[in-house]
Amino acid sequence: DADVTQTPRNRITKTGKRIMLECSQTKGHDRMYWYRQDPGLGLRLIYYSFDVKDINKGEISDGYSVSRQAQAKFSLSLESAIPNQTALYFCATSAPGDGRGVDTQYFGPGTRLTVL
Amino acid sequence: GNSVTQMEGPVTLSEEAFLTINCTYTATGYPSLFWYVQYPGEGLQLLLKATKADDKGSNKGFEATYRKETTSFHLEKGSVQVSDSAVYFCALSDGSSNTGKLIFGQGTTLQVKP
Repeated sequence: DADVTQTPRNRITKTGKRIMLECSQTKGHDRMYWYRQDPGLGLRLIYYSFDVKDINKGEISDGYSVSRQAQAKFSLSLESAIPNQTALYFCATSAPGDGRGVDTQYFGPGTRLTVL
Repeated sequence: GNSVTQMEGPVTLSEEAFLTINCTYTATGYPSLFWYVQYPGEGLQLLLKATKADDKGSNKGFEATYRKETTSFHLEKGSVQVSDSAVYFCALSDGSSNTGKLIFGQGTTLQVKP
């Protein structure tokens, strides 16, 4: 079984709808991340969480919200989806590295979201 | 702010050719550097990393050396295979902040033909 799972894997929705993407992990990591991937732009960080009570905005958090329901679960919500949120979304986890922030991140398989 | 720049793709090579994918970075302090690989339909996975200047990361025949003087971390492989076809991402982590956040380059697509 995969260590980091994402549901759904594909979703097509309409402008204005509320969407939730879910991420679960069995690695026992405290740190979890949400990224979006757009062609030619690489991955950009939306939100990250170091534990259930610690949630932080990334570089492109506008239009998104998150919930850390448990150590193993981190959900991303689009309150009112718009077409430019069409992208591939990845969840990742990590454990603190050697004190220099050298975390290795482990990625889920991604969710392809299309907003019409 | 911190940033990563990779060479434009796609890179198309024949099997057994030599591969170089250029990566340069801008960062304050002493970042750690990474190469991640994304195979078709999958998430990213760590290929190799280097945590300080002159370190060489290596894995699966791929190598990259952390060059502080040229702020570069170029990925190389002596003989590519069709199975190496994927998207390769260079990334850095700001070690001084201990947040574990990664900053990614735009990705370089590699296509290897038999």
